[in-house]
Order: sequence, then structure tokens, then C-alpha cells
Amino acid sequence: QSALTQPASVSGSPGESITISCTGTSSDVGNYDLVSWYQQSPGQAPKLIIYEGTKRPSGVSNRFSGSKSGNTASLTISGLQAEDEADYYCCSYAGRTTWVFGGGTKVTVL
Amino acid sequence: QVQLVESGGGVVQPGMSLRLSCVVSGLAFNGYGMHWVRQAPGKGLEWVAVISYGGDSKYYADSVKGRFTISRDNSKNTLYLQMNSLRVEDTAVYYCAKDDDLIAFDIWGQGTMVTVSS
Repeated sequence: QSALTQPASVSGSPGESITISCTGTSSDVGNYDLVSWYQQSPGQAPKLIIYEGTKRPSGVSNRFSGSKSGNTASLTISGLQAEDEADYYCCSYAGRTTWVFGGGTKVTVL
Repeated sequence: QVQLVESGGGVVQPGMSLRLSCVVSGLAFNGYGMHWVRQAPGKGLEWVAVISYGGDSKYYADSVKGRFTISRDNSKNTLYLQMNSLRVEDTAVYYCAKDDDLIAFDIWGQGTMVTVSS
């Protein structure tokens, strides 16, 4: 159960688009369409923002979008806003009823 | 309004035990699987364990298998995590999270801090 690989940090200016990658293996990300993304602000619990790779829960801004290619999933934040500054984690189902998270990416709005 | 409220965290010495609780309100607790996820200080999230809605199926991360036990009492709308043989590396904030049909963790509690230190 090795952690998925995410960049430690990504930054962008207000209004720009940024993309966070999440690389796994053919045993997790590449084998299931069950990647989810979570936003965590300092001192807060994680919040689900993307599930099944591309779907947004009700109430989540459409500025957040997800995609997947092979063993790599991605989260794109378009029209970056100051309130988007947070840590973001990907997670994939890894088979045998287990899950694996990425190491997290700190998003900074310049 | 759905709420998940964890409790039971604290400071313990290595080798000791602790039981965490998560009280759920605002939904039909007995209709959903539940997870425990932890986060060491300044680190990322780590999935710990899952239990089915009826409590008959349980799965664990390798890092806690044989030491931790997940359980639930549907009559009390409460999820538990019994943690035995605690290690320093178990120090973390422990979150309970509602399972969304094995797709994602769609609702989270605010977490309870466990510190294992001599």
C-alpha cells in the first residue's frame, strides 16, 4: 500500500488555472475509476470535492474538475481564487477493500 | 444536518490501548459503511480501516492490522476504533468518515488527537 505521488506544492495567480497530478500504479489508479480528491484547509477536516475521477458533489464549485489517464489522475482548479489556498489530497481504491491516499499538495495563491 | 463527532483521543505511552468513538447524527447510520482515516502531525492522510453497514465485514491497512479493531453499535449510532499495542508512529489526528458506496469518503468528522509518547 504505497502512497500515491503528488507534487508537494503548486502555485498560481488569481484567475489562472493549475493542475495537480496524482500518480499511482496499475493496481490502484490505473485499475479503477475510483479516484477521489479532498480539499483540506488549515485546522479543518478534509472535504470531498471530486469522486469517481470526474464527478463533483452537490455544492462544489465547477471550477474544480478531475481527469485520469493511465496511472495518473489530475485535479484542475480554474479561475484560481484566494479561498482555494489549501492542501489537496487524491485517493484511490486499491482493491481488496483498501484505499490509498496521495501525500498531499499545498496550493498557494500568489 | 449530518454530524460526525469523534472523541476518546489523548496521550498514552507506547504499548498501551485507547478506544475512539464517533457518534453520528442526521442520517440512517445503519445504512452506511464507515471508515477511520488518520493524519500524523504535518503529514498526509492515511486510510486506517472500514466497516460495513451491518458490521460483519471489516478491513484494515497493513500498518494497523492485528493491533486495531473497528466496530460499530447501530443502536447507538456509534463507530469505534479499539487501538492496542500503540506505537509512537500511531500519533495522529483520527477522523471518522462516512462511506459513499466504496466510492469516496463523503462526510468527515472534525477528528480526535491521539499522542503516543513515553
